[in-house]
Amino acid sequence: AQTVTQSQPEMSVQEAETVTLSCTYDTSENNYYLFWYKQPPSRQMILVIRQEAYKQQNATENRFSVNFQKAAKSFSLKISDSQLGDTAMYFCAFMSWGAGGTSYGKLTFGQGTILTVHP
Amino acid sequence: KAGVTQTPRYLIKTRGQQVTLSCSPISGHRSVSWYQQTPGQGLQFLFEYFSETQRNKGNFPGRFSGRQFSNSRSEMNVSTLELGDSALYLCASSQEATNEKLFFGSGTQLSVL
Repeated sequence: AQTVTQSQPEMSVQEAETVTLSCTYDTSENNYYLFWYKQPPSRQMILVIRQEAYKQQNATENRFSVNFQKAAKSFSLKISDSQLGDTAMYFCAFMSWGAGGTSYGKLTFGQGTILTVHP
Repeated sequence: KAGVTQTPRYLIKTRGQQVTLSCSPISGHRSVSWYQQTPGQGLQFLFEYFSETQRNKGNFPGRFSGRQFSNSRSEMNVSTLELGDSALYLCASSQEATNEKLFFGSGTQLSVL
């Protein structure tokens, strides 16, 4: 079974600064995706960034980037130039894929990190 | 393009009743997944449907069931409601059969009294 651990229940950052959210995972699978989702007070889960495990290059999406360390099973999210709208709960998630199809649609989530951006 | 639509947004039921939640995926998406979110257990996978077939199921009792229609809309049903079923129920849709990207709705907040 896969597990995802987010060790930081809460984080805060000043507007325009950079913050890094941590995530570690455990799996015996070789083929998988890793995701960061954000959930603002509206409750909608919004995809921030996705990383394919077979790719060595770290994914980036505008101000968001990841540091993917496959051997260490670590997947951190860096938010640059933080904005007030980044205030939300952030979830790290894992999905395996490949033979058997037993993971269809199944994301395994961490417990989340509440990020507050202060003006 | 409209996003994933879940109805209703809020629902209040009493123990023993049953409830049906609805999810309309993004146009063109054929996969729908359901999740339960509670403060204690976090986000847990319920089940996934693709082209009207359930392909995957999480560890929930048989009181939780779902179905998908030919237009990809999905419904989730919970029978004999218990207090512990109070939660935010989230639906996600995906275009690819391999669920490479899941897009979520805003959820249905179910309160069981």
